[in-house]
Amino acid sequence: GAVVSQHPSWVICKSGTSVKIECRSLDFQATTMFWYRQFPKQSLMLMATSNEGSKATYEQGVEKDKFLINHASLTLSTLTVTSAHPEDSSFYICSAGLAGGPETGELFFGEGSRLTVL
Amino acid sequence: KQEVTQIPAALSVPEGENLVLNCSFTDSAIYNLQWFRQDPGKGLTSLLLIQSSQREQTSGRLNASLDKSSGRSTLYIAASQPGDSATYLCAVRGGSGYSTLTFGKGTMLLVSP
Repeated sequence: GAVVSQHPSWVICKSGTSVKIECRSLDFQATTMFWYRQFPKQSLMLMATSNEGSKATYEQGVEKDKFLINHASLTLSTLTVTSAHPEDSSFYICSAGLAGGPETGELFFGEGSRLTVL
Repeated sequence: KQEVTQIPAALSVPEGENLVLNCSFTDSAIYNLQWFRQDPGKGLTSLLLIQSSQREQTSGRLNASLDKSSGRSTLYIAASQPGDSATYLCAVRGGSGYSTLTFGKGTMLLVSP
């Protein structure tokens, strides 16, 4: 099946620094990638939809200036948490769908990135 | 706005039991439904994908059914094993197929030896 890779899998940073998380589709092209965050014992909450070559669409309540999303190619989307604070500590997961149409509509998920802000 | 509910929130069973996890959704205009497994601190593993036109999908000991009109899906796990212990998430994708998934909060399953 299609593989989505996230890097880093975990990161610890000091408050006020910026952290970049990469999401790559390894064996397929993805025009659309989705970024989620998950708090402990909670479900996944969509943060934004990332479209290759255009601006991301953010969900209500998600600060676009804090969570910068770039989807520069059909295989790479990045999420940058700017000026991170402890409340940004969470598990971030990306997903991607096949380019060229929904077809089966299956989404493939990365392994997630655990961010801890001290 | 689509809402997905999973019952029960947690389930503990002895090894070997057959079990059923339930998922319900409020908007029946879906493109597909996916069941995922999530181990602690890990990402999501897709288990089964059911298109809106399908009634069920099977993979090994897993069987998922879909009743779109009533907004329900069930995941049946046969002969449960300790390795099945994980959180199981149900998610539905909107009618166009280009939208994202809406997730339930999951069912945390513990299978004891």
